[in-house]
Amino acid sequence: GAGVSQSPSNKVTEKGKDVELRCDPISGHTALYWYRQSLGQGLEFLIYFQGNSAPDKSGLPSDRFSAERTGGSVSTLTIQRTQQEDSAVYLCASSSPGPNEQFFGPGTRLTVL
Amino acid sequence: AQSVSQHNHHVILSEAASLELGCNYSYGGTVNLFWYVQYPGQHLQLLLKYFSGDPLVKGIKGFEAEFIKSKFSFNLRKPSVQWSDTAEYFCAVTGNAGNMLTFGGGTRLMVKP
Repeated sequence: GAGVSQSPSNKVTEKGKDVELRCDPISGHTALYWYRQSLGQGLEFLIYFQGNSAPDKSGLPSDRFSAERTGGSVSTLTIQRTQQEDSAVYLCASSSPGPNEQFFGPGTRLTVL
Repeated sequence: AQSVSQHNHHVILSEAASLELGCNYSYGGTVNLFWYVQYPGQHLQLLLKYFSGDPLVKGIKGFEAEFIKSKFSFNLRKPSVQWSDTAEYFCAVTGNAGNMLTFGGGTRLMVKP
């Protein structure tokens, strides 16, 4: 079956612009996670959705970052007024409920000029 | 807050050498432990996981890891590495609620043919 997909695979933007990153989780997975991978900070958790519960936003680095998940499936991560330090690979993962394996997508490489 | 520490940032081995990558975690409750691998140009994949039971866990591609609770460790081992094991390896932990992964800083392994 299909794995986690993310789009775009690469995004180059200018400082101050807004960007939207998309994640399509594995069908039937109710848990969805966003992480980012950068040279200076390694792999960091950003936000977690579980079913219809309120998301865990504890990893979002600033109020410029937000995410939503529509219909319990597709998720969009939005970064407003991008800064150069936002440059990173943004990873999405999904899993079935509970402490199960998270399946990762290929990531979106964001470059802020 | 939980944290994960990987002691070796870069490891270079020759084929057929034995491998052990260190991982220590800090967490006050019950933990679930994972090793993920990222091959060049590919996305993160699960190597193995520990939730409970036998502390010696076997994963894919001949890898294994041992959970030593008294040492808060979950070291990854492979008796004989191959060139195709060249990758970055990440140790990660979740709490029993099954939420976000907290990753170690990663270990880059290069296996020379």
